[in-house]
Amino acid sequence: GAGVSQSPSNKVTEKGKDVELRCDPISGHTALYWYRQRLGQGLEFLIYFQGNSAPDKSGLPSDRFSAERTGESVSTLTIQRTQQEDSAVYLCASSPGGGGLLGELFFGEGSRLTVL
Amino acid sequence: GQNIDQPTEMTATEGAIVQINCTYQTSGFNGLFWYQQHAGEAPTFLSYNVLDGLEEKGRFSSFLSRSKGYSYLLLKELQMKDSASYLCAVRDRNSGAGSYQLTFGKGTKLSVIP
Repeated sequence: GAGVSQSPSNKVTEKGKDVELRCDPISGHTALYWYRQRLGQGLEFLIYFQGNSAPDKSGLPSDRFSAERTGESVSTLTIQRTQQEDSAVYLCASSPGGGGLLGELFFGEGSRLTVL
Repeated sequence: GQNIDQPTEMTATEGAIVQINCTYQTSGFNGLFWYQQHAGEAPTFLSYNVLDGLEEKGRFSSFLSRSKGYSYLLLKELQMKDSASYLCAVRDRNSGAGSYQLTFGKGTKLSVIP
């Protein structure tokens, strides 16, 4: 597709279950970001992938969170043993490159996670 | 890391001009972005500044002063559809990790009233 695609768009799960969120970036974009946005709050950085470099995981809130990316394509964000505080919209964004004069991020529509 | 501050909420009248300020502290500045986010939607790109000065794009302008760690977004001829959150984001060159992390402020919720 032409834009960043995320799935599922909505996910309701029970506390303690594992969830997997998927992001399909724009073709050719080497940079991929995951952010978390709680209701009424700003965007919280989680993790950043740039090409084949080691990802910047400095924003992951706990070891229950992990993310993978295969080359410059699909990324998955996994949350294990979900807690109610994990309820948020998880936004994925991709960018043509990590640096340079224009590193505009293109966002997906997000995956809304609700942990009961 | 970064510390990005912007007002939580602002209200302005249709047809008026509004300025949304953003201050930041970072060790490896590599650009400042403004994004617009309507309720329930994904953020969309508005502007980018890496050098000092004013960048104008239609009704929207963005200003940067790197020495002061300061930026503003100026919206002219406000329209009702401009009611949204405006997010200031700073890109930091984390030389240790070899990455360009983009950190967002908490956003300014702008309400445009008739």
